[in-house]
Amino acid sequence: QKEVEQNSGPLSVPEGAIASLNCTYSDRVSQSFFWYRQYSGKSPELIMSIYSNGDKEDGRFTAQLNKASQYVSLLIRDSQPSDSATYLCAVNRGFQKLVFGTGTRLLVSP
Amino acid sequence: DTGVSQDPRHKITKRGQNVTFRCDPISEHNRLYWYRQTLGQGPEFLTYFQNEAQLEKSRLLSDRFSAERPKGSFSTLEIQRTEQGDSAMYLCASSFQPGQGPGELFFGEGSRLTVL
Repeated sequence: QKEVEQNSGPLSVPEGAIASLNCTYSDRVSQSFFWYRQYSGKSPELIMSIYSNGDKEDGRFTAQLNKASQYVSLLIRDSQPSDSATYLCAVNRGFQKLVFGTGTRLLVSP
Repeated sequence: DTGVSQDPRHKITKRGQNVTFRCDPISEHNRLYWYRQTLGQGPEFLTYFQNEAQLEKSRLLSDRFSAERPKGSFSTLEIQRTEQGDSAMYLCASSFQPGQGPGELFFGEGSRLTVL
């Protein structure tokens, strides 16, 4: 079992819709959780971090964490074509090492 | 530009040659990380420095890999006797702690290595 699992996609949504990206992790001692966005040919860019159960909102982005279910999600409201990218879920277990999933490719069509 | 910079951006080498990558982190950042990313995969942790001290190394980092951060500023990652399996994007990231969370990293644009 991989430490961090994501559906590779692509996830296709029309412009203006809500995109829902999901991630599960295997290690219950994981403490902090991150979503990075990576455009094709570019490096990852942090868009959200979440440390406690519940929802965290930042603009059009909402991160959701459920530690009991070992589940993290990212919702993107009012999706734009510029949101088309690979979204990487990353988990930290209290050390400096981040463990990344393989990413979900999101395609937003105009 | 005050972001993380990496050099060279692209390197093509023959199997068996040595290569060295350089990373200049954001100037006030005390932590520096190296990750490796292959096509279709997420980044994999290689090593990290707190100032000049290398505090953690992945088991992925074989004896052919060595990283330094001699004065707590820039860092180098050297790969000796390259193999085709070393072909990847080598990503450097930095952060400042305390202040930022342990996973809140700023990545450079990466150094792409192709081993022929």
